[in-house]
Amino acid sequence: GENVEQHPSTLSVQEGDSAVIKCTYSDSASNYFPWYKQELGKGPQLIIDIRSNVGEKKDQRIAVTLNKTAKHFSLHITETQPEDSAVYFCAASGPGTASKLTFGTGTRLQVTL
Amino acid sequence: DAEITQSPRHKITETGRQVTLACHQTWNHNNMFWYRQDLGHGLRLIHYSYGVHDTNKGEVSDGYSVSRSNTEDLPLTLESAASSQTSVYFCASSSIQGTFRTEAFFGQGTRLTVV
Repeated sequence: GENVEQHPSTLSVQEGDSAVIKCTYSDSASNYFPWYKQELGKGPQLIIDIRSNVGEKKDQRIAVTLNKTAKHFSLHITETQPEDSAVYFCAASGPGTASKLTFGTGTRLQVTL
Repeated sequence: DAEITQSPRHKITETGRQVTLACHQTWNHNNMFWYRQDLGHGLRLIHYSYGVHDTNKGEVSDGYSVSRSNTEDLPLTLESAASSQTSVYFCASSSIQGTFRTEAFFGQGTRLTVV
């Protein structure tokens, strides 16, 4: 089955700096890569996703890049703000409209003033 | 607004007891999932369903069961609770748009403690 590795497990940045979280996946058939943000006491919420037919996607301060050859994808947050502090999860899913998600182990991002 | 709700939010139970966690979604999604979240392990899939009367085992299904009698609900049952099942449990649902799946929406979670 699919295996997703995520690094780093914790990340501390100063407000205004950029943050980068990296994930690798094992199944070359995976074609959908979402990123979730989880705030304390809440369920994960989708912040951005990318499909295997594109290499990069941006949404305001958030961007995701995908390298299918190397089987890795990354989340980039620019101009970080205190409200970006949360746990971030990457995930991967295979082909088929009902395929299940396999998650990474999460990155705790702390944005300091 | 459509939503996905879990109940209870917190539960304490004794070892050996049967426990059922409820998950109800009003998105009319075909796909429903149960995950457990533990420190250092992220979100691990317990069971999932692609439609009514369909259920499938995930990577950590031992000691758990689910049933899908309608579109809206996927209850998770711990047959005989064990201390190793102390965790935070999340339910999620997703659907299909054209040839792609939609995003998965998560509930708020149920914190289960087995003593």
